[in-house]
Amino acid sequence: EIVLTQSPGTLSLSPGERATLSCRASQSVSSSYLAWYQQKPGQTPRLLIYGASSRATGIPDRFSGTGSGTDFSLTISKVEPEDFAVYYCQQYGRSLTFGGGTKVEIK
Amino acid sequence: QLQLQESGPGLVKPSETLSLTCTVSGGSMSSSSYYWGWIRQPPGKGLEWIGSFFSSENTYYNASLESRVTISVDTSKNQFSLNLTSVTAADTAVYYCARRRFYSFDLWGRGTLVTVSS
Repeated sequence: EIVLTQSPGTLSLSPGERATLSCRASQSVSSSYLAWYQQKPGQTPRLLIYGASSRATGIPDRFSGTGSGTDFSLTISKVEPEDFAVYYCQQYGRSLTFGGGTKVEIK
Repeated sequence: QLQLQESGPGLVKPSETLSLTCTVSGGSMSSSSYYWGWIRQPPGKGLEWIGSFFSSENTYYNASLESRVTISVDTSKNQFSLNLTSVTAADTAVYYCARRRFYSFDLWGRGTLVTVSS
């Protein structure tokens, strides 16, 4: 099973700042198989990025994903008030796993 | 617009079987080329994939749950189901059904909380 480790656990930022979230895999992951989700309290997870760098339908362009192999990242260019949430990465390989999440909180 | 809705008991006793159904509305499951699946989230914790299927002959599960999980589909009713046997308190979670596209889940149900308790 491929383990995804997300860091940091919590990211404290002010609106307008840049957020960079990391997702590291225990084995190489095809870029086609890496996704990112946003989840707000009491809400369903929302797909942000698939294929490591493709934005899902309706996702603002301040969200971007990059990476390959074992190191992937999600960047929010300028954090908006509605972006404070928990973010999960997910890989699809021989099995499917999620990372433990990064909480982006208001500083 | 396609929507997914989970249904089933909110309380299950330890050692019994958890059974949930996902109803797909606004479109036909059988006319699409998607995978479908179940994901759960214990209170205050992260997401855990349970299993996915493309058809009744093409189903695969999380290895850690495989001995207790069965996912089945009834395309005539536009539904698919989850059975999880021998539940314990560790199976208490919000259970989501979802559609998988491009190796990620792009459409989710609202989720249903299942509590395992006597």
